[in-house]
Amino acid sequence: DQQVKQNSPSLSVQEGRISILNCDYTNSMFDYFLWYKKYPAEGPTFLISISSIKDKNEDGRFTVFLNKSAKHLSLHIVPSQPGDSAVYFCAASGPGYSGGSNYKLTFGKGTLLTVNP
Amino acid sequence: DVKVTQSSRYLVKRTGEKVFLECVQDMDHENMFWYRQDPGLGLRLIYFSYDVKMKEKGDIPEGYSVSREKKERFSLILESASTNQTSMYLCASSLSAGHEQYFGPGTRLTVT
Repeated sequence: DQQVKQNSPSLSVQEGRISILNCDYTNSMFDYFLWYKKYPAEGPTFLISISSIKDKNEDGRFTVFLNKSAKHLSLHIVPSQPGDSAVYFCAASGPGYSGGSNYKLTFGKGTLLTVNP
Repeated sequence: DVKVTQSSRYLVKRTGEKVFLECVQDMDHENMFWYRQDPGLGLRLIYFSYDVKMKEKGDIPEGYSVSREKKERFSLILESASTNQTSMYLCASSLSAGHEQYFGPGTRLTVT
């Protein structure tokens, strides 16, 4: 059962335009969400996160939006640059108290973003 | 900056060999994780550890074991490598439960 879903395997945008990457989740206990970027042959790099008490978090060109009622989050990149071309993973976790699976991040399968010059 | 290092970037092993993948973090993080990444499957958690000598199974622990004797080091062991364990292996660490994990560069393991 896939608890975090990224339904678009790939996305192609023009340089300077907005990139919107989407993510849906099914587990209502998730309360912290993260986006990672991954280049080929490298480990994922943490990009931005959002707590469920917020509906928006912004960091430079990157903004994450959270819609709890729809169990949906999105990552906006404005303006998109060719160096943003990478695989983007959405991840989610539950309450941060000790014990078992609350230490885990559950990842989506990723979306390959290609930004064309 | 958090630094997570993995012992090898590329590794080629034969079927049936015992394989050790080492991971070291230098930020005094409590939690460490091993994932594998395969095309179309994303990142799947193999094992994690929330304290020295403590370990928990992730989503796909079969065929793997782990060891954490020191806080900074977390080892993944393939007891008898098989071709279906050919994959990219990623180690990560985090300071607190469920929050940002910081990843190493990965080890591309090929089992022939």
